[in-house]
Amino acid sequence: QVSLKESGPALVKPTQTLTLTCAFSGFSLNTGGMRVSWIRQPPGKALEWLARIDWDDDKFYSTSLKTRLTISKDTSKNQVVLTMTNMDPVDTATYYCARTLIKGYDVWGQGTMVTVSS
Amino acid sequence: AIQLTQSPSSLSASVGDRVSITCRASQAIRSALAWYQQKPGKPPKLLIYDASTLEGGVPSRFSGSGSGTDFTLTISSLQPEDFATYYCQQFADYPQVWSTFGQGTKLEIK
Repeated sequence: QVSLKESGPALVKPTQTLTLTCAFSGFSLNTGGMRVSWIRQPPGKALEWLARIDWDDDKFYSTSLKTRLTISKDTSKNQVVLTMTNMDPVDTATYYCARTLIKGYDVWGQGTMVTVSS
Repeated sequence: AIQLTQSPSSLSASVGDRVSITCRASQAIRSALAWYQQKPGKPPKLLIYDASTLEGGVPSRFSGSGSGTDFTLTISSLQPEDFATYYCQQFADYPQVWSTFGQGTKLEIK
């Protein structure tokens, strides 16, 4: 059974760097065609795609956030890590990771809420 | 970048109604569109991919249609558990770039 779970700090201060971890099971990022994406959702607002990492270590970033994001994977631990620098209150959101297949995001984590406040 | 515009932004309907939600892409995306359902406090759930293919386990009252720039999600007979927010997502540039979501359509009980 495929599952993903996000973890990270619930509160960060403005200008700090956010590090989120997505721990997954039931599939391997060593398998061809497997990908993991990060998506966020500010309270009451729409979904926003942030980044994606592929089984072959290809990485893709949102154009608007590209300079602030870094995505990486640790296949031995079945984890994907997203870092976002220079956090701002507008980055307050629930952050999700999701397994990404050619058809779409078929399995999502429950999300982790991050508040940016001094 | 390809933009997706959903309409309406919100919709009130009754149990048993047939409802449709539209998603329009700013440029042609073939059939590279997915639909998701999200309930409060929960992650989105994949309903339909490739514009019209039902994800496993999704009730048959859900259907999708369209190609190019205009797409529709239809619920044939609303059930109480269908009241949620629905999002479309495009992945026309897959796998190079992914992806864009629509702004969402909130389906409420009348």
